[in-house]
Formats: sequence, C-alpha cells, structure tokens
Amino acid sequence: SYVLTQPPSVSVAPGQTARITCGENNIGRKSVHWYQKKPGQAPVLVVFDDSDRPSGIPERFSGSNSGNTATLTISRVEAGDEADYYCQFWDLSSDRHAVFGGGTQLTVL
Amino acid sequence: QVQLVESGGDLVKPGGSLRLSCAASGFSVSGHYMSWVRQAPGKGLEWISYSDNSGTKTNYAGSVKGRFTISRDNAKNSLFLQMSSLRAGDTAVYYCAREGIRGRLDVWGQGTTVTVSS
Repeated sequence: SYVLTQPPSVSVAPGQTARITCGENNIGRKSVHWYQKKPGQAPVLVVFDDSDRPSGIPERFSGSNSGNTATLTISRVEAGDEADYYCQFWDLSSDRHAVFGGGTQLTVL
Repeated sequence: QVQLVESGGDLVKPGGSLRLSCAASGFSVSGHYMSWVRQAPGKGLEWISYSDNSGTKTNYAGSVKGRFTISRDNAKNSLFLQMSSLRAGDTAVYYCAREGIRGRLDVWGQGTTVTVSS
C-alpha cells in the first residue's frame, strides 16, 4: 500500500516561498491533489491534477509532480496561508481508495 | 450555490451506532462519486469511504470496513454513512466531499462531530 510522506512542518517568512513535498515511489505517475485545512474549517482544494488551480485560488499556489516527489509551492506567502496542507491521490491498484499524506503545518513567521 | 451539509453527529457510547447524513444543494449527487473523510482530534485527514454515482460500487478504509456502510439516495440528493460498533478511535469530525474529474475532492461540507465515549 502507498504511504505519502510529508514533512510535519514548514516555516517561512511573509513574502517568501514555501515548498511542501509529498513523497512516494513513482508518485509522478499519479494525479496528485492538494488541500488546505484551517482549524474549524472544511478542507479546501488548492491544487488538482498535480498543477492545476481551482477557480478562486490565487496564482501564488502552484504544484508539480515528477519522479518520487510531488510539490506544492506557495509564492509570496501571506499570514492567511498559515494552515495544514495535505496531498492526496487515488490508489487504483486494488480496491479503489484514497490516500492522504500525513499533512504539513505551514507556519508564517 | 454548490453546497454540502452534514448532520447526525452526536455523543455515543462505545459499541453504539450512528447515522450521518449529507445533503447536497446546487448540484446533483447522481452525477458524482462521493466520499466520507474524517479528522480525529490532533490528527490528519483520513479517507474512510466512497460511493460511485449509483451506489453500486463502494469501498472502505481498513479501519472501518465491516462496521461502516455508505449509501446514497439520489432522489433526495443525499449521502449517508451508517456507523456501528463505534470505538473511541472513531471520534472525529466527519466530512462528506464531492469528487470531481480525476477524483479531486472539490466540494466539502463543514463537517459533523462524532464523539465516542462512555
């Protein structure tokens, strides 16, 4: 079974770039989605299909996926970006099931 | 306005049962796969179940398989989760989510809280 590995925490100063990784063998072959989760709020899709953005999500949010690592990049980080971020994909190798990464807490210094 | 609203969360004793509901508006659930995802206190997101458009194909995470049952009523534009043999470890906020193209979970409800405690 798949285990998506994310760093527990990432810290960045306002205006800088945050990069959150999601690792798994050959994840580059999967379609990875990213979610933002703030306390007391529902998760929000911020990047889908590795690198596409839903309408309403700032262009500062981008994604990439190659080899064994998918990456969510947040440029010009703002205080409001402070949240937990989760990567996710669907494992179709046996019974269809979703796999979430363990989550990364983004702290804006 | 596309929206999902969960209900049915409650305080229940270990071994008890509970049925969660998820009412959709602004779109037809019949056109989408749907999932339930939960977040235990201090923990990450955990996918627990999905249903295809008709409810014919479903699957569950190992942690709930055999205890939880997902179902839907497309005529009532709703999704359900029947939970039985509840354990303390099932304590969480439960979210329903709509699947878009290629499985992205593009619409989420605000969640309903399930607490399993004696």
